[in-house]
Amino acid sequence: QKEVEQNSGPLSVPEGAIASLNCTYSDRVSQSFFWYRQYSGKSPELIMSIYSNGDKEDGRFTAQLNKASQYVSLLIRDSQPSDSATYLCAVNRPGAGGTSYGKLTFGQGTILTVHP
Amino acid sequence: DADVTQTPRNRITKTGKRIMLECSQTKGHDRMYWYRQDPGLGLQLIYYSFDVKDINKGEISDGYSVSRQAQAKFSLSLESAIPNQTALYFCATRDDYGYTFGSGTRLTVV
Repeated sequence: QKEVEQNSGPLSVPEGAIASLNCTYSDRVSQSFFWYRQYSGKSPELIMSIYSNGDKEDGRFTAQLNKASQYVSLLIRDSQPSDSATYLCAVNRPGAGGTSYGKLTFGQGTILTVHP
Repeated sequence: DADVTQTPRNRITKTGKRIMLECSQTKGHDRMYWYRQDPGLGLQLIYYSFDVKDINKGEISDGYSVSRQAQAKFSLSLESAIPNQTALYFCATRDDYGYTFGSGTRLTVV
């Protein structure tokens, strides 16, 4: 089982729709969770981080975390063609001695296409 | 100037050659990372460093070595490049809020 799994897609949604991206992780001690957006040939850029169960909203983006189910998702409302990119889920496990600076493990990414 | 700078941006090298990829940061972070990205495989951790004297292997360190010359500089070397090391390489730093990535180095080994 992969440590972090995402549907590779591609996920295609019409402009204005809600895009739903999903991610599961295997290590129950994981503490923090990140969503990155990556345009083709570019570096990943952080769009959301979430640490506690529930929802976290930032503009058109909502991250949802359910630690019991080991599941994290990203919703993009009012999707725009400029949202077309690969979305990477990343999970951070605690470091030695319980510090927060452990390793970040990435899923393989979901390709999102928003068509006009 | 970018917070995390990688050089070169693109490089083509021959099998068996030694090559160094360089990374420098202006964020003052102690923690630095080297990742490799292949199509469909996400980002895989090669090496990471929590300070100048603390270097750790990641998931795919075989065939690679690193040097942390200073807090701001973290270099990745391929001692004897092989074609399956052709990939996009990213350097990153992190703080409490997440990672900051460099622009990447696209390496092709022929």
